[in-house]
Amino acid sequence: QKEVEQDPGPLSVPEGAIVSLNCTYSNSAFQYFMWYRQYSRKGPELLMYTYSSGNKEDGRFTAQVDKSSKYISLFIRDSQPSDSATYLCAMRRQGAQKLVFGQGTRLTINP
Amino acid sequence: EAGVAQSPRYKIIEKRQSVAFWCNPISGHATLYWYQQILGQGPKLLIQFQNNGVVDDSQLPKDRFSAERLKGVDSTLKIQPAKLEDSAVYLCASSLGRTDTQYFGPGTRLTVL
Repeated sequence: QKEVEQDPGPLSVPEGAIVSLNCTYSNSAFQYFMWYRQYSRKGPELLMYTYSSGNKEDGRFTAQVDKSSKYISLFIRDSQPSDSATYLCAMRRQGAQKLVFGQGTRLTINP
Repeated sequence: EAGVAQSPRYKIIEKRQSVAFWCNPISGHATLYWYQQILGQGPKLLIQFQNNGVVDDSQLPKDRFSAERLKGVDSTLKIQPAKLEDSAVYLCASSLGRTDTQYFGPGTRLTVL
């Protein structure tokens, strides 16, 4: 069993829709949770960073962490064609340096 | 501020050949990472440097992969000899410190025929 599981998609939605992306994990020691966005032929870029449980909002993006369920989510409101990319969740333990990534979900927003 | 630079961007080689990738991290970043990203998968850490010392190389296939970071700045990752399963994107990332945000370069796409 992988430490971090992420549905690879692909996921295709119309412009303006609310998108929900999710990851589950097995290691309860994970404390730091990240979402990276990766455009085609580019490196990942950090989108959201959350510590422990709770919600964090940044513009059209909201990250949620439910540690009791070992489940994290990224919501995108008013989705735009420019949001089309692969979204990777990543996490690490307290005091640890190593990031463990999910396999990524490929998202397409159709105009 | 300049980002993480990598070269070459693309490389095609025959199996059993050798190949080297170069990375120049963001100025001042002490920590440097090499990741392997196979198509359809998330990045997997190969090696992490703190300045010019190795912090974690537990997932580096040391019989064929090697990496160095001379003078604590640029880094080189080498594969010798390459296998078909080494076909992947090799990403370099850097961060100020060990637990700070990692910034990724554009990657080198390696195809082994």
